[in-house]
Parts: sequence; structure tokens; C-alpha cells
Amino acid sequence: GDSVTQMEGPVTLSEEAFLTINCTYTATGYPSLFWYVQYPGEGLQLLLKATKADDKGSNKGFEATYRKETTSFHLEKGSVQVSDSAVYFCALSDRTGNQFYFGTGTSLTVIP
Amino acid sequence: DAGVIQSPRHEVTEMGQEVTLRCKPISGHNSLFWYRQTMMRGLELLIYFNNNVPIDDSGMPEDRFSAKMPNASFSTLKIQPSEPRDSAVYFCASSLIGGPYEQYFGPGTRLTVT
Repeated sequence: GDSVTQMEGPVTLSEEAFLTINCTYTATGYPSLFWYVQYPGEGLQLLLKATKADDKGSNKGFEATYRKETTSFHLEKGSVQVSDSAVYFCALSDRTGNQFYFGTGTSLTVIP
Repeated sequence: DAGVIQSPRHEVTEMGQEVTLRCKPISGHNSLFWYRQTMMRGLELLIYFNNNVPIDDSGMPEDRFSAKMPNASFSTLKIQPSEPRDSAVYFCASSLIGGPYEQYFGPGTRLTVT
């Protein structure tokens, strides 16, 4: 069945470091891909999305490109801030939106 | 828009008691999802509704769990009787059918069963 696999955490970075969180997926058909962020004590929030191959989603300095050839959707940010400390979830949806699959989450801590 | 609303935000109860969690989806959304999040198991989908009809409840852990959606603006998740292993954060999310549309999550209900 469909699934997403994301890199294990936790990840600890210094402020202004470059961030990559890997996400790969397995899916039949043409899924849509998402990154969600969860700040402490809050629900998940959509960070960015891409609905077809080669699309790039971007928001708040974060980017991810839908790579069909490598079945990947890696999250990147050029310069992280302390306020980026959170748990990041990669997710996949089938074309109907009824089947939504979340990765296990990657905890990011950014230290000053 | 107010976003997805969940109540209560925190619930502490004793083992054996009935617990009811409530959710109000975003107005106009016609798909609703209930999730459970724990450190051990991560984020688990419990059940989802389309147009108030339960579509997939295969994630509901036991018969002690039940969910209803009597109308488009309200859903409940009930646990009866509750057990300590039910302690978790329960999230409600809503979306539009016919996607792929993103899901919008509520702030969650933190349940502690002692």
C-alpha cells in the first residue's frame, strides 16, 4: 500500500544552519505530497504541498520538490531559526484525498 | 474562519469512566478525520467521515471507541470505559472531499486516564 518514510530524528542544528529532512514515498498512481509542522502543544499545520511531479512547494523559507524519478519530497531550508524548532511530518494523499498517509515525524531543535 | 475547534483541550479522568471528545470542523468542509497521537505509536488515523457518513473505521482500536457525526458541523469521539492506555492527544481534522485537499487540524485534546 501507499506509505511515506522520513528520516529518523531528532535533528539538532545551530541557528542559520542548512536543513534537510528526507522523505520518500511509495504510491500507486499520482499522489499529492505535503509537509506539515507541529509546534509544541499544537496541532499539525500545513507547511507546503506539491500536487504533481516537478512541482516545488515553498513557504516561510522552506522548500520541497516533488521528484517522481526518485519518489522523494525532501524538505529544505537554507538558514534555520530557533523558531523553526518543531516536529515535521511528511504526508501523502491519493487523488481523492480520502487516503492520507503520514510519516513518523522528525523532531528539529535549533539552538542559538 | 475559526478553524477546527476541539473541546475540551485537556481531560483527566479515572479508569472506567466515559470520555467524550468533541469537534467542530471548518464550515463548508465535508470530510472529517479523527487521529490519535502518542510517543510510542506516532499519529494514527482512527476513523474518517465523508458527508457525515463513516467511511473507514478500521483504525478504531477497540469496541470501547465509537464516533458519530450527527450533522456537518459536529462530531464526537467516545471512549467507554476508558483505560490508562488510552492516554494520548486526540486530533480532529477536516477537509474537502474530491481532493487532494490538505487536512486542517484542530489543536487537539490531551486525554489522561489515571
